[in-house]
Amino acid sequence: AQSVTQLGSHVSVSEGALVLLRCNYSSSVPPYLFWYVQYPNQGLQLLLKYTTGATLVKGINGFEAEFKKSETSFHLTKPSAHMSDAAEYFCAVSRTGGFKTIFGAGTRLFVKA
Amino acid sequence: DGGITQSPKYLFRKEGQNVTLSCEQNLNHDAMYWYRQDPGQGLRLIYYSQIVNDFQKGDIAEGYSVSREKKESFPLTVTSAQKNPTAFYLCASSIDPTTAPKGEAFFGQGTRLTVV
Repeated sequence: AQSVTQLGSHVSVSEGALVLLRCNYSSSVPPYLFWYVQYPNQGLQLLLKYTTGATLVKGINGFEAEFKKSETSFHLTKPSAHMSDAAEYFCAVSRTGGFKTIFGAGTRLFVKA
Repeated sequence: DGGITQSPKYLFRKEGQNVTLSCEQNLNHDAMYWYRQDPGQGLRLIYYSQIVNDFQKGDIAEGYSVSREKKESFPLTVTSAQKNPTAFYLCASSIDPTTAPKGEAFFGQGTRLTVV
């Protein structure tokens, strides 16, 4: 069975500070991993995804994530937070042969001026 | 532009009423999904469909029904049997994940349903 755990339902950073949102997964087979962003009262938008190959994945809006198999992690980072980054972020996992994508509970990012 | 359209954006339901949420996609995706989102609970899968005229229950299907008569359309009916329907509902689509699991889901803008 697959599962996703996002550590911290709320994260607060100052504008210009490092953003780190944590995601750990469990999967019995090689996973495909995704990060989505959701702005208030909107749908989810893909930030980035890991399928195969390079373990450091770059996405939109300056975000990146690193797949670490040994740690079963896929943490999302951004070197310098901007006010417009304030949103909810979801980590998700799927796998070969599986149909459902499993979503984490989400982490709400607050950015302070 | 290709995408997913959900309507209406806001919907109010009286106790005991059935309501139908619309979801249309022009991405030529085989798979479509309905999720329910409540604060602090992430996304919970209600129903999904891999092909036309076929759909499967997700994790919280009780009190909901769907149809998939056309590839582009996957409407969700919230029935009176759903005791706590107030939530944000999201429709999504993707290429068939059983053959191409690397593909991400594309989401609509959501429908906020409130029981009055």
